Amino acid sequence: AQSVTQPDIHITVSEGASLELRCNYSYGATPYLFWYVQSPGQGLQLLLKYFSGDTLVQGIKGFEAEFKRSQSSFNLRKPSVHWSDAAEYFCAVGPYSGGSNYKLTFGKGTLLTVNP
Amino acid sequence: ETGVTQTPRHLVMGMTNKKSLKCEQHLGHNAMYWYKQSAKKPLELMFVYSLEERVENNSVPSRFSPECPNSSHLFLHLHTLQPEDSALYLCASSQRLAGGEEVPETQYFGPGTRLLVL
Repeated sequence: AQSVTQPDIHITVSEGASLELRCNYSYGATPYLFWYVQSPGQGLQLLLKYFSGDTLVQGIKGFEAEFKRSQSSFNLRKPSVHWSDAAEYFCAVGPYSGGSNYKLTFGKGTLLTVNP
Repeated sequence: ETGVTQTPRHLVMGMTNKKSLKCEQHLGHNAMYWYKQSAKKPLELMFVYSLEERVENNSVPSRFSPECPNSSHLFLHLHTLQPEDSALYLCASSQRLAGGEEVPETQYFGPGTRLLVL
């Protein structure tokens, strides 16, 4: 069964500091990995995704993530955090389109607080 | 309207009420999903519709009843809910391919309906 672990429930960083959010996954086949962000009162917005190729993936809002198969990790990074990045971040592992598995499995999320 | 919209954004209902949540996607997708988001828990997939047919029902109580009249609209009918059903209900859509080349399936989410059951 597929699963996603986000070890950090809550992270606080200062504005301008670098950020790394951790994600570990368990998946029997080729993993398709996603990071979503949820601002207060909003739905989930896709930041980036990975399924093959370059293991460093660029996303929106200046975020990037690195896939490390040996560590079963897909950590999200940003070199300089802005106050508007305060939100909850979800890592997910999902199916491939057209397959019989429809399930997108999410981690419990990491809440990011940004101090001025 | 663009993307995935949901109405109402907030809903308060008593345990004996009947209400419906509505989702509409403007992305031309052929699959739609209902998720439940409760505090401190991962998103829970409730229902999946692909090409307007329900393909997955993750053992959701019968007090939740989905309806997908066409590929753009999805409803969640609610009746005799319990206080523990209070949560954020998220709708999502995606484009499923017929098969063959493997590409990741990206789901696009609406803003959700915040439901409070009293």
